[in-house]
Amino acid sequence: GQNIDQPTEMTATEGAIVQINCTYQTSGFNGLFWYQQHAGEAPTFLSYNVLDGLEEKGRFSSFLSRSKGYSYLLLKELQMKDSASYLCAVSPRGGTYKYIFGTGTRLKVLA
Amino acid sequence: EPEVTQTPSHQVTQMGQEVILRCVPISNHLYFYWYRQILGQKVEFLVSFYNNEISEKSEIFDDQFSVERPDGSNFTLKIRSTKLEDSAMYFCASSVEATQYFGPGTRLLVL
Repeated sequence: GQNIDQPTEMTATEGAIVQINCTYQTSGFNGLFWYQQHAGEAPTFLSYNVLDGLEEKGRFSSFLSRSKGYSYLLLKELQMKDSASYLCAVSPRGGTYKYIFGTGTRLKVLA
Repeated sequence: EPEVTQTPSHQVTQMGQEVILRCVPISNHLYFYWYRQILGQKVEFLVSFYNNEISEKSEIFDDQFSVERPDGSNFTLKIRSTKLEDSAMYFCASSVEATQYFGPGTRLLVL
C-alpha cells in the first residue's frame, strides 16, 4: 500500500530550529513536497525534492533520502506565524502527478 | 502572482441535492486536480485531469462525481446526489508539471 507518516504535533520556541520528519512507502516516486497549511486555509507550497540531498530556501530547508524513504523539513529562526500544519506529500509517479498526503504535523510556536 | 481561484467559498446543501464547485486554474497550467479534506483529517486525492480527460481517479471518486472543463478557464467538480459524508473542504489545484498550487477551497456542508 501507500503510506506516509509524520508526527502529529510538535512544539517549539520562537527563534529556535525545528525538524519535522516524514517517512514514506509508495508504489513509485516522482518527488516529495512540503506544504504549509494554516487552519481553514489552502496548502501553500514550501519545497520540492526529487533527488537525494538538501534543498535550502531561506529559513526553510528540506532533505530527502530515497533509499531510506525519508525526508525532513527544517525550519530555522522560528516565528509565531510559523504556527501551522506542515504536510508531507509524495507524487508516486509522473503522468498524473497526483499527491498522496501524510496526516500533517501541527506545529505550535511558543513565545 | 497568478493564483488558483475557487467559488463559492462556502456551500450549504441538502442531502440528495446536486452541487457544482468551480475553479479557475492558473492560466498556463496543464494539469488540474481536485482534493478533499474532511475536518481534522488529511488531504485526499480525488481526481486528476489532463488534455481534457481524467488521467487518474481515486476510489472516493465514484459515479456521483464528475469533472468538466467547460471552457478555456474553468474546471468544475459536480457531485450529483450529495451525502452527509461529502461534507468537507474541497481544494482545486493546478500544475505545469509536478509542483501543484492550491486554491483557497470550498467548504461544503451537507445537511
